[in-house]
Amino acid sequence: DAGVIQSPRHEVTEMGQEVTLRCKPISGHNSLFWYRQTMMRGLELLIYFNNNVPIDDSGMPEDRFSAKMPNASFSTLKIQPSEPRDSAVYFCASRPLAGAETQYFGPGTRLLVL
Amino acid sequence: QKEVEQNSGPLSVPEGAIASLNCTYSDRGSQSFFWYRQYSGKSPELIMFIYSNGDKEDGRFTAQLNKASQYVSLLIRDSQPSDSATYLCAVTLNTGNQFYFGTGTSLTVIP
Repeated sequence: DAGVIQSPRHEVTEMGQEVTLRCKPISGHNSLFWYRQTMMRGLELLIYFNNNVPIDDSGMPEDRFSAKMPNASFSTLKIQPSEPRDSAVYFCASRPLAGAETQYFGPGTRLLVL
Repeated sequence: QKEVEQNSGPLSVPEGAIASLNCTYSDRGSQSFFWYRQYSGKSPELIMFIYSNGDKEDGRFTAQLNKASQYVSLLIRDSQPSDSATYLCAVTLNTGNQFYFGTGTSLTVIP
């Protein structure tokens, strides 16, 4: 199994630009999570999906952030327009919906907004 | 508000010693408790999970849960330099879907 796949692994952009982060969950996993990690705030849950449906997006910082999951094998997190304070590592994680003890994290996308 | 608190450290222990990592949580509805290890520049990986009060052992690792006092700890026996990492505590409520993470404790094992 290839594990959770994220792209790009690194992204450097300028303030005001649109950023799109991509995630492919582990095949057969029903839940998908987007996290943001910074030194100051640690690992924060942004949004999660069950069976491609967004369940809780209360962690999304503001309207500049949006996430979609058009099918079971693909999700995107979009920031438009980006700001320097969005600089962080963004992780995607997936797990089976029922009875799973853990979630499996992707390698993360390191985002730097100049 | 669901808060998970950890001492950020850094915690330094000599090789072969016991490392003790602590975590407290605010929501009494928390049901499941997890310890993740994160090496620098890498993603978190699960070490252990625990549901019931008491101790749970897995090799050199022991998780301890005390729901009355709302704390969970991780003991690492015979610490090795390869244990040097940041350890994240996480909890879930009875719905089980949302993981709430602490900010992590940095551990350094000195050879």
